[in-house]
Amino acid sequence: AQKITQTQPGMFVQEKEAVTLDCTYDTSDPSYGLFWYKQPSSGEMIFLIYQGSYDQQNATEGRYSLNFQKARKSANLVISASQLGDSAMYFCAMREGDTNAGKSTFGDGTTLTVKP
Amino acid sequence: DTEVTQTPKHLVMGMTNKKSLKCEQHMGHRAMYWYKQKAKKPPELMFVYSYEKLSINESVPSRFSPECPNSSLLNLHLHALQPEDSALYLCASSQYTGGETQYFGPGTRLLVL
Repeated sequence: AQKITQTQPGMFVQEKEAVTLDCTYDTSDPSYGLFWYKQPSSGEMIFLIYQGSYDQQNATEGRYSLNFQKARKSANLVISASQLGDSAMYFCAMREGDTNAGKSTFGDGTTLTVKP
Repeated sequence: DTEVTQTPKHLVMGMTNKKSLKCEQHMGHRAMYWYKQKAKKPPELMFVYSYEKLSINESVPSRFSPECPNSSLLNLHLHALQPEDSALYLCASSQYTGGETQYFGPGTRLLVL
């Protein structure tokens, strides 16, 4: 079974609007971390935001926020006020704290295109 | 500073060549990783080093040989590669091998002719 599911292969958003990228996950480990990375065409994997399984509040980093719904096992990324430079592939990833030590599981990614 | 550096940025090699990829971090991280990524696919884990010891090898062919000379450096030695090995090779590091954030380098784009 897929541990990280990103159901949107491609998304379009108008510049200055907000967009939500979906991510659902599956784990039986009570301790885990959820991450979002941005990968522009240059190839570098840029860390955006982190949510720990025990965190009570949703994570925010500038224009990025993570809508964490633990019971539904979802960790959606919200990008506010989209910019042309946000066009990239976005990966959701999970690291399970005590099992599979060292391994990150990645979703298949969502390609975001910001239209001017 | 959350920088991971990788050299070279691009590499073209023949199937009989021997080459090495290098990765460096100065964040004091004790875990380092090699990933292979094909176009429009997620990264695939190859190796994990923890405290300079190989802790995970994801059944990678022996033509890929990792080396961790010290806590800041990670190498990937390449020998007798196949054209299907052409990919983006990403290095990453994290504080430990638990659930901490992994920071990635810019990658090496490898083309095997």
